[in-house]
Amino acid sequence: GAVVSQHPSRVICKSGTSVKIECRSLDFQATTMFWYRQFPKQSLMLMATSNEGSKATYEQGVEKDKFLINHASLTLSTLTVTSAHPEDSSFYICSAIVAGGYNEQFFGPGTRLTVL
Amino acid sequence: AQSVTQLGSHVSVSEGALVLLRCNYSSSVPPYLFWYVQYPNQGLQLLLKYTSAATLVKGINGFEAEFKKSETSFHLTKPSAHMSDAAEYFCAVNIAGGTSYGKLTFGQGTILTVHP
Repeated sequence: GAVVSQHPSRVICKSGTSVKIECRSLDFQATTMFWYRQFPKQSLMLMATSNEGSKATYEQGVEKDKFLINHASLTLSTLTVTSAHPEDSSFYICSAIVAGGYNEQFFGPGTRLTVL
Repeated sequence: AQSVTQLGSHVSVSEGALVLLRCNYSSSVPPYLFWYVQYPNQGLQLLLKYTSAATLVKGINGFEAEFKKSETSFHLTKPSAHMSDAAEYFCAVNIAGGTSYGKLTFGQGTILTVHP
């Protein structure tokens, strides 16, 4: 149980285009999901907290207009990178919390974004 | 505020040798502590977690960790390393019952190399 999927696993896009990444909790409902980015050989940096039915909470320094997050249902959160630039190239990972589970986060497999 | 420090960005051991990955945390309130493992181009998998129950926590794949409040440490150990243990390991902390529900703060990560 507690499986989180991400789609796509890998995406290459041209500079200036927008890319949408989906995060799904497959066998549980997730009222809260998190989005991280991870640069090569670095740790995970929290970008935002996504709450179902409400606006996402962004970490300091993360542009909310560039990284649009939508959490329309209890099993799906999406991250849209708008007007992507090469510096947005990174590994994006989502996670979801199981309610009542000691704040344990279950992570998706990640999405590798490359902006040309 | 909470923080995590992992001592040693790289640890190298021989197959069959003891694995010790160090993690120290800082938290003003009782924390929940986690160890995750990440294989290349994949998401994070939970190894074990401390949630204020037993201080010695056993996880998957033969790993265990001991919570030592006096030392603010949560070191990860495995008696005998296996080649398949080669990966990157992250220690993470979350404030138990804090308002920042579920938000994890990660350490910098430790890359474990296992030599034959």
